Amino acid sequence: NAGVTQTPKFQVLKTGQSMTLQCAQDMNHNSMYWYRQDPGMGLRLIYYSASEGTTDKGEVPNGYNVSRLNKREFSLRLESAAPSQTSVYFCASSVSDTQYFGPGTRLTVL
Amino acid sequence: AQSVTQLDSHVSVSEGTPVLLRCNYSSSYSPSLFWYVQHPNKGLQLLLKYTSAATLVKGINGFEAEFKKSETSFHLTKPSAHMSDAAEYFCVVSDRAGSARQLTFGSGTQLTVLP
Repeated sequence: NAGVTQTPKFQVLKTGQSMTLQCAQDMNHNSMYWYRQDPGMGLRLIYYSASEGTTDKGEVPNGYNVSRLNKREFSLRLESAAPSQTSVYFCASSVSDTQYFGPGTRLTVL
Repeated sequence: AQSVTQLDSHVSVSEGTPVLLRCNYSSSYSPSLFWYVQHPNKGLQLLLKYTSAATLVKGINGFEAEFKKSETSFHLTKPSAHMSDAAEYFCVVSDRAGSARQLTFGSGTQLTVLP
């Protein structure tokens, strides 16, 4: 099992550009999550999907959209990137109350 | 609403000495509590979790944590630090909100292990 995988690992964007971060899990988990990690702030929840076909906002959803493509895949889209979205993005999936994290995508917006 | 406070942003210990990373939490319900570790430029790895069974929880790599409801604490300990323990540690509380479990993270404690 690969667990939770994320692509790309690194990305540099210019202000106003768009991009999609991809996440996939092979553990047959129902719930998936997107977080951002900024220095000194732990992880903050952007969006989550409790099951295929549903998505809900987390703590910091502004400027992002998500798609739960199927049970395995959960993507995060930045429509018009801003420097404030420079961060490390983590995807996670869960069974019961335990979440398993991907390796992260380091995004820089210039 | 739930919250987590990690009382030290940085902890420095010598190799072979005990480790104590402190965490206090606030939750309206009976929470699940976790410790995750993050090594540089890596994802988060689950160290251990508490889910209302035994109050002393043993995790991987010799770490353990004790749930103390009266003190609303969930401190992480290890008897003897190893150089490979140098990393950032996150205390996390989980509660049900809406249709899925949501995690609230502490701000992290950076552990340095000195030779």
